Amino acid sequence: AQSVTQLGSHVSVSEGALVLLRCNYSSSVPPYLFWYVQYPNQGLQLLLKYTTGATLVKGINGFEAEFKKSETSFHLTKPSAHMSDAAEYFCAVRESGGGADGLTFGKGTHLIIQP
Amino acid sequence: NAGVMQNPRHLVRRRGQEARLRCSPMKGHSHVYWYRQLPEEGLKFMVYLQKENIIDESGMPKERFSAEFPKEGPSILRIQQVVRGDSAAYFCASSPIRDEAFFGQGTRLTVV
Repeated sequence: AQSVTQLGSHVSVSEGALVLLRCNYSSSVPPYLFWYVQYPNQGLQLLLKYTTGATLVKGINGFEAEFKKSETSFHLTKPSAHMSDAAEYFCAVRESGGGADGLTFGKGTHLIIQP
Repeated sequence: NAGVMQNPRHLVRRRGQEARLRCSPMKGHSHVYWYRQLPEEGLKFMVYLQKENIIDESGMPKERFSAEFPKEGPSILRIQQVVRGDSAAYFCASSPIRDEAFFGQGTRLTVV
């Protein structure tokens, strides 16, 4: 079975500061990893994904994440936070190959940007 | 190319009524997924369908819930005899392949 743990249900950073949202996963097979963002009363938008290849993945809006197999982590970062980054962020995992079909999501991290 | 369309956006049902949630996938997408989001929780996988077939329903409650994706028309998630615990946001996602999913804006079901 696969699972996702997002450390910190709420993270607050100042505008212009580094954003770091933590995600750890467990999976019995090589994982596919995803970060999604959800704005209030909206659906989820894909920020970035890791399937194979380069472990540092760049996404939209200046976000990036690094897959670290030894740490079973896929933390999301952005060098400089903008007010528009305030939203809920979800990390998700899916088994590669012929594994389970659905994504397994973490509980989410609410990102607050202080002016 | 329009995104994944879900309707209605908000649905209020009394206990015991039926709820029908519709999802039109993006053009060219033959894979549809349904997820449920409870307050303060992440999304939970419910069911995965391809045209006319249920591929994986491991996340669906055993009773009252059903899903279909007919050859023509949208995918339907049907909840019979709704109870207060069914109140949640229900999201549909579609994809052309298994590795990426595009989400709709969700249907927020409130059972009163």
